[in-house]
Amino acid sequence: RKEVEQDPGPFNVPEGATVAFNCTYSNSASQSFFWYRQDCRKEPKLLMSVYSSGNEDGRFTAQLNRASQYISLLIRDSKLSDSATYLCVVRKNTNAGKSTFGDGTTLTVKP
Amino acid sequence: DGGITQSPKYLFRKEGQNVTLSCEQNLNHDAMYWYRQDPGQGLRLIYYSQIVNDFQKGDIAEGYSVSREKKESFPLTVTSAQKNPTAFYLCASSMRVSGGSYNEQFFGPGTRLTVL
Repeated sequence: RKEVEQDPGPFNVPEGATVAFNCTYSNSASQSFFWYRQDCRKEPKLLMSVYSSGNEDGRFTAQLNRASQYISLLIRDSKLSDSATYLCVVRKNTNAGKSTFGDGTTLTVKP
Repeated sequence: DGGITQSPKYLFRKEGQNVTLSCEQNLNHDAMYWYRQDPGQGLRLIYYSQIVNDFQKGDIAEGYSVSREKKESFPLTVTSAQKNPTAFYLCASSMRVSGGSYNEQFFGPGTRLTVL
């Protein structure tokens, strides 16, 4: 079993749709959690950190459930520009913040 | 501008040759990392370094070597011992904060290595 698992998709949604991505992690010692966005043939870029209380940034909402070792990302009112691969990342705050990446979930937003 | 640079963007290598990928950051970040990404897959950690003149193996270090002689530089050598070196190589860095933890990682634009 991989340490971080994501539904690979692809998710194909129309503009304006709401879409949710899930991520599970196996290491209960994980302390920090992130969502990154990666466009085709580009480097990953930080989308948002995920806090225990849940956090929102515009159309994006991230939630963490430590008991179930589960992270989610909700995108509301999808835009064409949201089309990308979304990477779930978990980290222990030791070993230089060594992070484990999920394989990513691919989203395509269609007009 | 502050950031992470990687060069070259594309690199072609013949089998049996060693090649070195450059990674430089001017963010004054303490830690630096090298990842490999294969098509349709996530990032796998090759090596990381928390401080100058010190580095640790990641999950897939075999066939790779690194050095950290300066805080801002963390070059990666792909040796001929690496069996399947064709991949997208990403360098990242992060800042150590109080309490010994680290901020999020920031990535360079990557180097695409193709072995002919």
